[in-house]
Amino acid sequence: GENVEQHPSTLSVQEGDSAVIKCTYSDSASNYFPWYKQELGKGPQLIIDIRSNVGEKKDQRIAVTLNKTAKHFSLHITETQPEDSAVYFCAARAYTGTASKLTFGTGTRLQVTL
Amino acid sequence: GAVVSQHPSWVICKSGTSVKIECRSLDFQATTMFWYRQFPKQSLMLMATSNEGSKATYEQGVEKDKFLINHASLTLSTLTVTSAHPEDSSFYICSARPFPSYNEQFFGPGTRLTVL
Repeated sequence: GENVEQHPSTLSVQEGDSAVIKCTYSDSASNYFPWYKQELGKGPQLIIDIRSNVGEKKDQRIAVTLNKTAKHFSLHITETQPEDSAVYFCAARAYTGTASKLTFGTGTRLQVTL
Repeated sequence: GAVVSQHPSWVICKSGTSVKIECRSLDFQATTMFWYRQFPKQSLMLMATSNEGSKATYEQGVEKDKFLINHASLTLSTLTVTSAHPEDSSFYICSARPFPSYNEQFFGPGTRLTVL
């Protein structure tokens, strides 16, 4: 089955700096890679996703890059703000119709300090 | 759009009792819903996948008779924890995939279950 590794487990940046979180996956059939933000005591919130036919996607301060050859994808947050502090999860899915499921990374706790 | 709700948000029960958690997709139809369990400072663990009108598919190691899942309609799925024990205490999160998408998946706010 799919295995997703995520690094770092914790990340502390100063407000205004950039943050990068990296994930690798094992199943070459995976073709959908979402990123979720989870605040304390809440459910994960989809913040950006990318499909395997695209190498990069950007949405304001958030961007995701995908390298299919190397089987890794990264989340980039620019101009970080205190409200970006949360746990971020990457995930991967191989499309097999309705039976497909997401495999999650272990999470990165991002702390944005003033 | 793409809002998923869960009820209750938290519940405390005595050991041996059963607890039902509801998951609703508020503004879309979901042919597939997922139930996850999350322990403190850990990742999400998929428990089961349910498709409307059919039996749920459970992940290896998850007891079907203990965690009953009913996906009765395109907007509602329920998880019943039967004969709950303290080790069942956890954060339970549901997720729904909008029809006809095969990719996007939206999560509910979670239910904190504490079994005394």
